[in-house]
Amino acid sequence: DQQVKQNSPSLSVQEGRISILNCDYTNSMFDYFLWYKKYPAEGPTFLISISSIKDKNEDGRFTVFLNKSAKHLSLHIVPSQPGDSAVYFCAARGFGNEKLTFGTGTRLTIIP
Amino acid sequence: DSGVTQTPKHLITATGQRVTLRCSPRSGDLSVYWYQQSLDQGLQFLIQYYNGEERAKGNILERFSAQQFPDLHSELNLSSLELGDSALYFCASSVDNNYGYTFGSGTRLTVV
Repeated sequence: DQQVKQNSPSLSVQEGRISILNCDYTNSMFDYFLWYKKYPAEGPTFLISISSIKDKNEDGRFTVFLNKSAKHLSLHIVPSQPGDSAVYFCAARGFGNEKLTFGTGTRLTIIP
Repeated sequence: DSGVTQTPKHLITATGQRVTLRCSPRSGDLSVYWYQQSLDQGLQFLIQYYNGEERAKGNILERFSAQQFPDLHSELNLSSLELGDSALYFCASSVDNNYGYTFGSGTRLTVV
């Protein structure tokens, strides 16, 4: 049972344009959502997060949007840069639960 | 360097064997999490320890076991290895999970 889904295994975006990565979840008990970025031969690194009491969180070029009614979140990267090429994982956590449930990841490639 | 140290980085072993993966958490972090990433799969939660005690268990096989020692380092023991156990095994640590985990760079296990 995949509770966190990233339906796009890969995405290619021109440098300077906007990258939009999507994530859907099924568990209505999730109350905290995170995005991680992973380069080859490295562990995932935390990128940005959002609590279920918000619908948007911004950090520099990265913005995460949460639509609770649709159980959907997205990560926007503007403008996209070559260094953004990586695998992006969406993760979610339930209230009082420290365990993170991860999606399968989306490989983002930024085309110079 | 994330501060979470995993050894070894690579491990090749034969079916039926037993291996031990080691993780040293970031200084001050009391929680250690183990995740498995198989080919084209997301990060699957295996087990969490907090200050030496098991706190949460995921889809961890009976052939696998883990422990956290008084110095807070953790070991994941995999026995009676099968070809399907070949994967990346990540350790992560956290102090309060407000910003998610800090991951190590992983151990790539290949069972031949």
